Amino acid sequence: ETGVTQSPTHLIKTRGQQVTLRCSSQSGHNTVSWYQQALGQGPQFIFQYYREEENGRGNFPPRFSGLQFPNYSSELNVNALELDDSALYLCASSSPEQVTQYFGPGTRLTVL
Amino acid sequence: AQSVTQPDIHITVSEGASLELRCNYSYGATPYLFWYVQSPGQGLQLLLKYFSGDTLVQGIKGFEAEFKRSQSSFNLRKPSVHWSDAAEYFCAVALSGTYKYIFGTGTRLKVLA
Repeated sequence: ETGVTQSPTHLIKTRGQQVTLRCSSQSGHNTVSWYQQALGQGPQFIFQYYREEENGRGNFPPRFSGLQFPNYSSELNVNALELDDSALYLCASSSPEQVTQYFGPGTRLTVL
Repeated sequence: AQSVTQPDIHITVSEGASLELRCNYSYGATPYLFWYVQSPGQGLQLLLKYFSGDTLVQGIKGFEAEFKRSQSSFNLRKPSVHWSDAAEYFCAVALSGTYKYIFGTGTRLKVLA
């Protein structure tokens, strides 16, 4: 059974640029959630996708957007990057019958 | 508003000593509760979870946690800590519906040899 995978592992961007992060869910899971973890903080919920539709959103501005594909993989897009967007971005997958989310290793984004 | 509090930012224990990490939550309904562990630069690994039933739950790596509704707490315990347990520990509540997780700010555990 393949776990949750994320790419890339690290990336560096400049303020104002756009970035796309990718996530492949665990086999059998059709729900993907994204979290932002700033240094020294707990993860903060960004949004969740279920069957290609957004199914809940946290307190993040619209420049954070996402997609889910028919194979349940997902993308997180962030436009007009700000310095405060520097963080570890975690993807988690689950099935609708389960509350439990399984996390990927994360993507470390640095905005200069 | 729902929240999770982990009062201890850092805890240091000697190898072989017992451990208790505290977690308090604020949530109107019976919560789904979790403990995750994060090693440096890594994602989150599930240690254990509580949904209902027996209030003492067992997890991986010898960890256990006890749900106390009257105290709104879900403290994590381990009777004898190993050096490999050094990591950051997060308590989380899952909200009904979207099952959005709310995390505490974490407790960083240091283990002395």
